Amino acid sequence: NAGVTQTPKFQVLKTGQSMTLQCAQDMNHEYMSWYRQDPGMGLRLIHYSVGAGITDQGEVPNGYNVSRSTTEDFPLRLLSAAPSQTSVYFCASSRDGGSVGSPLHFGNGTRLTVT
Amino acid sequence: GIQVEQSPPDLILQEGANSTLRCNFSDSVNNLQWFHQNPWGQLINLFYIPSGTKQNGRLSATTVATERYSLLYISSSQTTDSGVYFCAVATPFTGTASKLTFGTGTRLQVTL
Repeated sequence: NAGVTQTPKFQVLKTGQSMTLQCAQDMNHEYMSWYRQDPGMGLRLIHYSVGAGITDQGEVPNGYNVSRSTTEDFPLRLLSAAPSQTSVYFCASSRDGGSVGSPLHFGNGTRLTVT
Repeated sequence: GIQVEQSPPDLILQEGANSTLRCNFSDSVNNLQWFHQNPWGQLINLFYIPSGTKQNGRLSATTVATERYSLLYISSSQTTDSGVYFCAVATPFTGTASKLTFGTGTRLQVTL
């Protein structure tokens, strides 16, 4: 049972480049989300999904897109990378559809640097 | 929005010591979770605890939702307990979902 799998672990981008951070879970969880973790700012919600075909914006959605075509996958797209997007990104999932009424499980993170 | 404060911000313990970490929140919440971020950056869910007390080995947690606080107890600490401990509270965010708001964490270092 792999849990929540994120790829890649590390990535360096130049300003203006685009890329997709992959996230997959094998627990049949309805709820999936993306957070970024920055020093002094804690963990902040970027986008979330309460089920396949349903996505919504979190606290800091600008510059990011998501889609949820299957229950298992929830990729995060950076459209045009900026140095302000240098961060550690975490994908997380939980069984509960929307009220986060069950434990949240995190992937191991992706450390992104934008130069 | 809701404020989540954790104390102490930093804690150094000798191996074998006990400790209590506190999480205060400013409004009523749907639920509360505790996480441990180890020195390699992994975030591990320790407890899902909207109210009451739970125990898991040397760790236990108590949430008193009516008084807006939660406590995490670590007994007989080990070096592997080092890292940052976060509490996170769930509050309504949109019509379809709640969101977790994280505290700023307690950084724990356990020394030999």
